[in-house]
Amino acid sequence: DSGVTQTPKHLITATGQRVTLRCSPRSGDLSVYWYQQSLDQGLQFLIQYYNGEERAKGNILERFSAQQFPDLHSELNLSSLELGDSALYFCASSVGVWGNGVDEQFFGPGTRLTVL
Amino acid sequence: GIQVEQSPPDLILQEGANSTLRCNFSDSVNNLQWFHQNPWGQLINLFYIPSGTKQNGRLSATTVATERYSLLYISSSQTTDSGVYFCAALGTSYGKLTFGQGTILTVHP
Repeated sequence: DSGVTQTPKHLITATGQRVTLRCSPRSGDLSVYWYQQSLDQGLQFLIQYYNGEERAKGNILERFSAQQFPDLHSELNLSSLELGDSALYFCASSVGVWGNGVDEQFFGPGTRLTVL
Repeated sequence: GIQVEQSPPDLILQEGANSTLRCNFSDSVNNLQWFHQNPWGQLINLFYIPSGTKQNGRLSATTVATERYSLLYISSSQTTDSGVYFCAALGTSYGKLTFGQGTILTVHP
């Protein structure tokens, strides 16, 4: 158990819908990351937050958005869902963002999203 | 951005065999991590190793940062070692761990 929690574990929805994925980082970690794992794209970085502020952005679609709240939990919102959005979505957390071990990322169990 | 390549893509072993997985990266790294993704999809941290050598039980890893590669050694493999092994690197871009395509390991009893 990494200490990172994600809910829900599974989500089945229809095209065009909107869903929210939730992540609670390890105790003491200030940085939260979101990744998407799909069969054709592999593991891709989406976005990073540090202490409530966005720090880095990767291959995140405009239909997707995220935020980190004052209690440090994070939510990833996916809207106007398409079949191709079906994937495993991981949240990770780390103490800090740079160097000397503080940037070691620990991953949650993931949310498996199926869009029908 | 940084490129990460892993080899071999697939590896099939008999229980008790040893193996070496390789990860090449295209630029200087601030963070290099090895993960094991088990059959249930969970990503388990194996090593945080931007340079040097570490050992944890039957697993060990070595990163030679100047030559831009890392190796993961698995000794006396067990069926529970099966799964996908990922190497991921953090280059000069904040936060963005870039993952290799993984090595699929199958250990037969």
